[in-house]
Amino acid sequence: EVQLVESGGGLVQPGGSLRLSCAASGFTFNSYAMNWVRQAPGKGLEWVSSISGGRGSTYYADSVKGRFTISRDNFKNTLSLQMNSLRAEDTAVYYCAKDRYNSGWPPFDCWGQGTLVTVSS
Amino acid sequence: VLTQPPSVSVAPGQTARITCGGNNIGSKSVHWYQQKPGQAPAMGIYYDSDRPSGIPERFSGSNSGNTATLTISRVEAGDEADYYCQVWDSSSDHWVFGGGTKLTVL
Repeated sequence: EVQLVESGGGLVQPGGSLRLSCAASGFTFNSYAMNWVRQAPGKGLEWVSSISGGRGSTYYADSVKGRFTISRDNFKNTLSLQMNSLRAEDTAVYYCAKDRYNSGWPPFDCWGQGTLVTVSS
Repeated sequence: VLTQPPSVSVAPGQTARITCGGNNIGSKSVHWYQQKPGQAPAMGIYYDSDRPSGIPERFSGSNSGNTATLTISRVEAGDEADYYCQVWDSSSDHWVFGGGTKLTVL
């Protein structure tokens, strides 16, 4: 069974940093692109970042580029999101999600339960 | 930018159509997600009209021109949820989500 479990969320002051992790199991982790998607309270889904399998090419939403860094550890089957210079508008539930296929631009077929990040003084 | 109606209401047993508008969206592959309150999103119709196992045949999708449509036939109370469309924008190398549509079953 495919499982994704996020951790690392919490309360952080504006300008602070936080590192999110997503533990993956039940599939060949290094073969699939992985993604972070966030959802501000009462709002819709917003794509944050993606990392391909293999070479680990990275992609970022304009709203986080230069502040967030996505990475993966294929030995530990873990996806990470390093978030720096956090702003109030980064407050959201952060989900990690797995690509359905290992090529092209497939849908996200498995999602974690999410971890809440609150940026506030 | 993907444009969805904020809300769609339909009586049980009727057909709900949720649209996703975008410039020449018909040339892209559209994926749909269902999100129920307090839950993570779940994949629905993908690649415009493919239906994964576990999704009832009542759910279908189409995509042409500037509009993609998720159609839910014989709507049931359990279909009440937020629905999001998604595409890959190859010009910016970004995933884009629509703003979401809240489906209310009257």
